[in-house]
Amino acid sequence: EIVLTQSPATLSLSPGETATLSCRASQSVDTYLAWYQQKPGQAPRLLIYDTSKRATGIPARFSGRGSGTDFTLTISSLEPEDFVVYFCHQRSDWPPGTFGHGTRLEIK
Amino acid sequence: QVQLVESGGGLVKPGGSLRLSCTASGFTFKDYHMNWFRQAPGKGPQWIAYISDRDGTYTNYADSVRGRFSISRDNAKNSMFLHLTGLRSDDTAVYYCTRGFCDTTACYHGLAGDWGQGTLVTVSS
Repeated sequence: EIVLTQSPATLSLSPGETATLSCRASQSVDTYLAWYQQKPGQAPRLLIYDTSKRATGIPARFSGRGSGTDFTLTISSLEPEDFVVYFCHQRSDWPPGTFGHGTRLEIK
Repeated sequence: QVQLVESGGGLVKPGGSLRLSCTASGFTFKDYHMNWFRQAPGKGPQWIAYISDRDGTYTNYADSVRGRFSISRDNAKNSMFLHLTGLRSDDTAVYYCTRGFCDTTACYHGLAGDWGQGTLVTVSS
């Protein structure tokens, strides 16, 4: 099973700042890495797939990069609604694929 | 717009069974492969089952549920089902129905583009 490690577990920033979230895979997942956002009490929402492609309706301030084992999600000009939880997800070995344990973005 | 509505969750004793349903609207249901994911409290999501589009010929399961869970679909009713048997305490989670993700160029197995609101399954004596 490919293990995804997200860091930091919690990131404290202020609105308007830029957030950089990290996801490291235990072995190469090529570019088959996605990012989901989850608000409290809601289902996850797909933000980024295949490392850097934004899903429909996702603002350009969300961007992804990386390859192999190291990936980042960057959120620029943070808005109040961005302070929620983010999961990375690899489908390189789907089925099953795996998710990270999440990074919580909180207001400083 | 795309809407997925799950039902059928609840409290069940270890070893018990449940049947989850997912009713879809806002898209041509038969044209999409579908998945079930689940999310235990405080954890990341986990993929558990897949069914192919059209007649649902192909199915697949996570190792943790294979042989205990069964996925099916009824295109005439725009519905998908997950039959859970031999339930254990570690099956406690919110179960989500998801539509397979497609962009303008391809469909991507393993990705979930649209999710329902989820239905809670609690396994406890």
